[in-house]
Amino acid sequence: SQQGEEDPQALSIQEGENATMNCSYKTSINNLQWYRQNSGRGLVHLILIRSNEREKHSGRLRVTLDTSKKSSSLLITASRAADTASYFCATVRGSNYQLIWGAGTKLIIKP
Amino acid sequence: GAGVSQTPSNKVTEKGKYVELRCDPISGHTALYWYRQSLGQGPEFLIYFQGTGAADDSGLPNDRFFAVRPEGSVSTLKIQRTERGDSAVYLCASSSGDRGSPLHFGNGTRLTVT
Repeated sequence: SQQGEEDPQALSIQEGENATMNCSYKTSINNLQWYRQNSGRGLVHLILIRSNEREKHSGRLRVTLDTSKKSSSLLITASRAADTASYFCATVRGSNYQLIWGAGTKLIIKP
Repeated sequence: GAGVSQTPSNKVTEKGKYVELRCDPISGHTALYWYRQSLGQGPEFLIYFQGTGAADDSGLPNDRFFAVRPEGSVSTLKIQRTERGDSAVYLCASSSGDRGSPLHFGNGTRLTVT
């Protein structure tokens, strides 16, 4: 079953612009993780934010978490063509080891 | 160091045949996961190993699917009597085993059942 839902499903922007993707989930979580997947490749872990954190940065990535709204956002600043990929959020609940995945946002950066 | 390795990268088989998909996790990772991914979808959980034992196989769709990890390292996903609906990318991931720790994925095996 999928808990996370990303929106938009697809996003196309010009290189240099910022890209924002959102993720909503349904139940309480231990942490939320964002992954990137290039076409034909496996998923690559980007960033993890714990339920007691509200914001986290890693390079050009900024993740926020609002547990009251059960939502998270991933911001990629100064986008590059190489950022073209699908982005997935995954949540970890309580003592569960499983990640529950959304269907992803397909991001296209136009040069 | 080496990442998660999956072989073969592509497998085409006829309906009704048996297939084995292999995963070599990152050395020292105790947790190993198998997922299945269809086009445009997120990963669908199949099975999770902690060491040699299958801690959770609730995602396996039916008894045609089976996975082993006999020495706590390499894992093999086995599919009997393949059906066209089994066509998908099968992803393997490993982690340190700590609850909620990030997963490291292989590039997957694209299985096509004709």
